[in-house]
Amino acid sequence: GESVGLHLPTLSVQEGDNSIINCAYSNSASDYFIWYKQESGKGPQFIIDIRSNMDKRQGQRVTVLLNKTVKHLSLQIAATQPGDSAVYFCAEIHSGGGADGLTFGKGTHLIIQP
Amino acid sequence: SAVISQKPSRDICQRGTSLTIQCQVDSQVTMMFWYRQQPGQSLTLIATANQGSEATYESGFVIDKFPISRPNLTFSTLTVSNMSPEDSSIYLCSVRGGRGNTEAFFGQGTRLTVV
Repeated sequence: GESVGLHLPTLSVQEGDNSIINCAYSNSASDYFIWYKQESGKGPQFIIDIRSNMDKRQGQRVTVLLNKTVKHLSLQIAATQPGDSAVYFCAEIHSGGGADGLTFGKGTHLIIQP
Repeated sequence: SAVISQKPSRDICQRGTSLTIQCQVDSQVTMMFWYRQQPGQSLTLIATANQGSEATYESGFVIDKFPISRPNLTFSTLTVSNMSPEDSSIYLCSVRGGRGNTEAFFGQGTRLTVV
């Protein structure tokens, strides 16, 4: 079937290396920023989130950095594994808005080379 | 967490016809969301489906084209009406844990191809 990452920017890293995926957002009023992972043929899966009043948050093997000055978000994945190969999307929520739906960024296709 | 089931998982449809996609959640939720993911693209919110009221549509999406039902707190349907090849996309149903809860759960998606 068609890959969800076919037309997206691609980042290729060696297994075991660290990877950094970047995202620019537009709404300075967003309250939360979230990273999702989407494997082929599946819906997005929550990875980690960060509140707008924070600049860094760590999870298991992942770190999210938020730079509100330049409206930039990054996801760092340490010691990448083959299972990390997927498309990664950043998303934002403005909870003061009406619908509370997510606004997704463009996405990056991460490929882990053996 | 929430488990979301979508039907059908994929379909190939003739232009001019309509397809109704079903979304079933294993728990009661206030809001359900429908997204579209065009080939090789990111997800775009179509509408928010609220139980007991009309759905709220995002800019660029209208009820005549994407009618939504929300008969109870665990089920919703999205219809893609009068389809054209440009409607070929993955359509995803989603729920969130509640206001302030950022963890959204997604169905596996319905891959629609219009020929």
